[in-house]
Amino acid sequence: QKEVEQDPGPLSVPEGAIVSLNCTYSNSAFQYFMWYRQYSRKGPELLMYTYSSGNKEDGRFTAQVDKSSKYISLFIRDSQPSDSATYLCAMSVSQGAQKLVFGQGTRLTINP
Amino acid sequence: DAGITQSPRHKVTETGTPVTLRCHQTENHRYMYWYRQDPGHGLRLIHYSYGVKDTDKGEVSDGYSVSRSKTEDFLLTLESATSSQTSVYFCAISRDSMNTEAFFGQGTRLTVV
Repeated sequence: QKEVEQDPGPLSVPEGAIVSLNCTYSNSAFQYFMWYRQYSRKGPELLMYTYSSGNKEDGRFTAQVDKSSKYISLFIRDSQPSDSATYLCAMSVSQGAQKLVFGQGTRLTINP
Repeated sequence: DAGITQSPRHKVTETGTPVTLRCHQTENHRYMYWYRQDPGHGLRLIHYSYGVKDTDKGEVSDGYSVSRSKTEDFLLTLESATSSQTSVYFCAISRDSMNTEAFFGQGTRLTVV
């Protein structure tokens, strides 16, 4: 079993919809949770970062961590065609990028 | 892309040949990383460096070696390429080891035939 599971999709939604992207994990020691966005033929870029539990909001994006369920989510409100990308979750027990464990990514398409 | 250049961007090579990928940074960051990205696996760490001549193995280091003789350059070598090493390779850099500060290059698409 992988430490981090993420539905690869693809996920296709109409413009303006609320998008929910999710990851589950098995290691209860994970404390740092990240979401990366990766456009086609580009490297990943950090989108959201959450330490421990709770919600974090940044514009149209909300990251949610439920440690009791070992489940994290990324919500995108008022989705735009420019949000079409692959979204990867990543998490780690401690600080240190070398400790990051990535999900396989969910490919998202927002249709105009 | 935060001053990261990967070269080459694309390469096709034959099984059994050595291949070297280069990552060059202009940010003077201490940490550099090599990842591979494959369908169904996400990003997996191959090797990383925490300073000149200081490197360590990642999750999938077998068949790969690295070198860092200058702060700005981190080389990934496939000693004898195999088809299982067909992948997209990403270099990342970070100023310190903070996992929120890793910036990725644009990737090198390697095909081993």
